[in-house]
Amino acid sequence: QSALTQPASVSGSPGQSITISCSGISSDVGSYNFVSWYQQLPGKAPKLIIHEGIKRPSGVSHRFSGSYSGNTASLTISGLQAADEAAYYCCSKVGSGNKSGNIFGSGTEVTVL
Amino acid sequence: QVQLEQSGAEVTKPGSSVQVSCKTSGDTFNRYTISWVRQAPGQGLEWMGRIIPILGEPTYAQKFQGRVTITADKSTNTVYMELRRLRSDDTAVFYCARDQPPYAASFDFWGQGTLVTVSS
Repeated sequence: QSALTQPASVSGSPGQSITISCSGISSDVGSYNFVSWYQQLPGKAPKLIIHEGIKRPSGVSHRFSGSYSGNTASLTISGLQAADEAAYYCCSKVGSGNKSGNIFGSGTEVTVL
Repeated sequence: QVQLEQSGAEVTKPGSSVQVSCKTSGDTFNRYTISWVRQAPGQGLEWMGRIIPILGEPTYAQKFQGRVTITADKSTNTVYMELRRLRSDDTAVFYCARDQPPYAASFDFWGQGTLVTVSS
C-alpha cells in the first residue's frame, strides 16, 4: 500500500491556526482509532503528538488536535508558534492480525512566517 | 522514563549486511511490541516491521520481506534489526520505537536513531 497523502508544506503566521490533512485512511468504522500524528524537529526522532485519531499524550500541548472525516484525518495546530516549525507525519495501522502493519504519510513541513 | 538505546552509526558497503540494536528495559521488553522505522536523508518515515520480544514473533512490511530480520534477546532485553543485501539507497537513519497499546497503531517512545551509510 502506498504512503498516505499529505500536503508537502503548510505555512501560517504566529497565532494563526493551520490544518494538515492526511488522506487514504480506511473508511471502515473505528479506523480512526488507528491514526496517529508525529512531530519531527530537524535532526531529532519523531515525537508522538496524537494517537487513536484524537487523543493527546500527556505533556503534549492542547494546541494540537486531531480529527477525522471519511477517508481523511487532520491535524490542527492552533495558536501557531515558532517552535512548531517541524515536519509532521500521520500514520495508520492497516491490515489485521499477523498481516497488520503501519503506513506513514508523506510528511508535511510546517513553516511559521 | 522509558528509554530505547540504539547502537552507534555504521558505515558499510553495498551488498553487505548491517545489524542495529535497540536496548530496552525489562518492562518494555516483556510487555510491548517494538517496531523499526527507516528514514532516508531528507525523506519520510517508513515502517519496516515489528516484533513481540517475549515471543520472538516478527511481522515485516512487504517492501522489506526477505531482506530484513528482526530478533529479540531476552537475556539483554535487546531487539535487533538486520538488513541484508544493502544498496546505496538504504542509507538512512533507522529508529526503533515502542508500539503503544492497545492497538499498536502508534509509537509512544523512540530510540535516538542510528545512521547507516552504505557506500563503496
